Amino acid sequence: EVQLLESGGGLVQPGGSLRLSCAASGFTFSSYAMSWVRQAPGKGLEWVSAISGSGGSTYYADSVKGRFTISRDNSKNTLYLQMNSLRAEDTAVYYCAKDRRGYCSGGSCYSFFDYWGQGTLVTVSS
Amino acid sequence: DIQMTQSPSTLSASVGDRVTITCRASQSISSWLAWYQQKPGKAPKLLIYKASSLESGVPSRFSGSGSGTEFTLTISSLQPDDFATYYCQQYNSYPETFGQGTKVEIK
Repeated sequence: EVQLLESGGGLVQPGGSLRLSCAASGFTFSSYAMSWVRQAPGKGLEWVSAISGSGGSTYYADSVKGRFTISRDNSKNTLYLQMNSLRAEDTAVYYCAKDRRGYCSGGSCYSFFDYWGQGTLVTVSS
Repeated sequence: DIQMTQSPSTLSASVGDRVTITCRASQSISSWLAWYQQKPGKAPKLLIYKASSLESGVPSRFSGSGSGTEFTLTISSLQPDDFATYYCQQYNSYPETFGQGTKVEIK
């Protein structure tokens, strides 16, 4: 059974940093790209970042580019999201999601999300 | 970036009704579209991928269609468990954008 368990959320002041983790089990972690998707309170879903199975390719939404860093440790079956220079508008539930490949083109692969964690809440406020 | 627009934003329906939700892309995304269901306080659940492929374990009353820029999610006979918010997502290119959601409410 696929399980994704996020941790690391909490209350942080504007300008602060936080690192989210997502522990994965039930599948061969290194074989799959993974993503972070967030949802602000009462709002819709927003894709944040993705990383290939090897970790060699990463992708970011413009809203977080230069502030957030996605990474993974395949030996620990764990996905990370390092969030720096946090803003009030980053307040959201952050979900990690397992990617299922749709197609590849031009050296990039594009996926949808077949398993999701339960989410971890990040609140940016003074 | 590709913009995804869902309509309607809210839909009131009764058990047994046929329900259709539309998702439009700002440019062609071929068939690279997924649909998700989300209930309050829960993570989204994959329903449909590649516009019309039903995810394993999802009831057959859910179906998807379309290609290019216009897509639909249809629930053939609405059940009590189907009252939720539905999102489309394009995975034709980065950023992989979602529609704003359609809330299906009890009439």
